[in-house]
Amino acid sequence: GAGVSQSPSNKVTEKGKDVELRCDPISGHTALYWYRQRLGQGLEFLIYFQGNSAPDKSGLPSDRFSAERTGESVSTLTIQRTQQEDSAVYLCASSFSISGWQETQYFGPGTRLLVL
Amino acid sequence: AQSVTQLDSHVSVSEGTPVLLRCNYSSSYSPSLFWYVQHPNKGLQLLLKYTSAATLVKGINGFEAEFKKSETSFHLTKPSAHMSDAAEYFCVVSYSSNTGKLIFGQGTTLQVKP
Repeated sequence: GAGVSQSPSNKVTEKGKDVELRCDPISGHTALYWYRQRLGQGLEFLIYFQGNSAPDKSGLPSDRFSAERTGESVSTLTIQRTQQEDSAVYLCASSFSISGWQETQYFGPGTRLLVL
Repeated sequence: AQSVTQLDSHVSVSEGTPVLLRCNYSSSYSPSLFWYVQHPNKGLQLLLKYTSAATLVKGINGFEAEFKKSETSFHLTKPSAHMSDAAEYFCVVSYSSNTGKLIFGQGTTLQVKP
């Protein structure tokens, strides 16, 4: 079956521009997660969705970052007025549910964002 | 603060020799523990996970890890390294039953020499 997909795979943008990153989770997975991986660092948790709801947005780095999810499927992560420090790989993951901390998260290939 | 520490940023082994990648986690209550692998230009793949059943967990590709509560460790091992094992390995911990938040270690790069 299809795994988690993300688009675009690579994005180069100029400082100050807005970007939108897309994630398609595995069909039937109600939970969706966004992470950021800066060069040479581990993954940083950004936000999660249970269904279409994101109860805790405190992991987002700044108010330039926002995320939404519609129809318990596709999610978009939007970065407004991009800065060079936003350059990173943005990873999306999904799991069957969020009710168990033992749930396995399945990761997409990521979107590599470079802000010039 | 909840955290996970991978003790080696880089490990180099010869093909056919054992692999040991070390991981320690901060102790609050029993977490779920995972090892993920990331090959170049590929997504993260789950190797194995510990969820309070057996303390010795077997994963894919011959890897296994042992949960040792007294040492707050979850080291990853493999008896014999293959060239295809060369990748970045992440030890991951989950404490929250409400958010599914995963806390990642900094990663260990495994190099396998012929």
